[in-house]
Amino acid sequence: AQKITQTQPGMFVQEKEAVTLDCTYDTSDQSYGLFWYKQPSSGEMIFLIYQGSYDEQNATEGRYSLNFQKARKSANLVISASQLGDSAMYFCAMTHFAYNDYKLSFGAGTTVTVRA
Amino acid sequence: SQTIHQWPATLVQPVGSPLSLECTVEGTSNPNLYWYRQAAGRGLQLLFYSVGIGQISSEVPQNLSASRPQDRQFILSSKKLLLSDSGFYLCAWRDNSGNTIYFGEGSWLTVV
Repeated sequence: AQKITQTQPGMFVQEKEAVTLDCTYDTSDQSYGLFWYKQPSSGEMIFLIYQGSYDEQNATEGRYSLNFQKARKSANLVISASQLGDSAMYFCAMTHFAYNDYKLSFGAGTTVTVRA
Repeated sequence: SQTIHQWPATLVQPVGSPLSLECTVEGTSNPNLYWYRQAAGRGLQLLFYSVGIGQISSEVPQNLSASRPQDRQFILSSKKLLLSDSGFYLCAWRDNSGNTIYFGEGSWLTVV
């Protein structure tokens, strides 16, 4: 079974600074994908970034980058130049490609609060 | 472009009443569709998924059911709601040409 661990329940970050959100996963499969989603107080789940297990380069999307360390089974999200609008809950998720159903397993989430 | 819509956005229902949440996807064909539930302050739990019309897989035994009467329509139902069915329900879809999974706006259900 897949297990996603996010050990930081909540974090505070100063505006314009960078923040790293931790995510570790447990799998014996070789082909999988890792995702990060943002959930603001409105509840909508917003896709941020994706990393495939065979991707050699770390994924980047604007101010978001994914620090993928396959041997350590970690997929940390880095948000650079934090903005007040980044305050939200962030979820790490994982899917396996072997069964073609693309079911996602989620971590418990990390609440980020950006201070002015 | 592809979009996903789900409704109603907010619902307050008495215990024992029926439920119907609807989700539709536009701009794609034969997507994988999913229903997730999120209890207050918790992560997401997969309830159902569908890889095609009429094909429903249930992940967790419960008081709910799902149906996919059309390619881009996914419905979550219950005949008799329980207090424990309260939560935030999210529909999601995956375009078969890509790896990313996108979510709808969500539906807040309160059972009283």
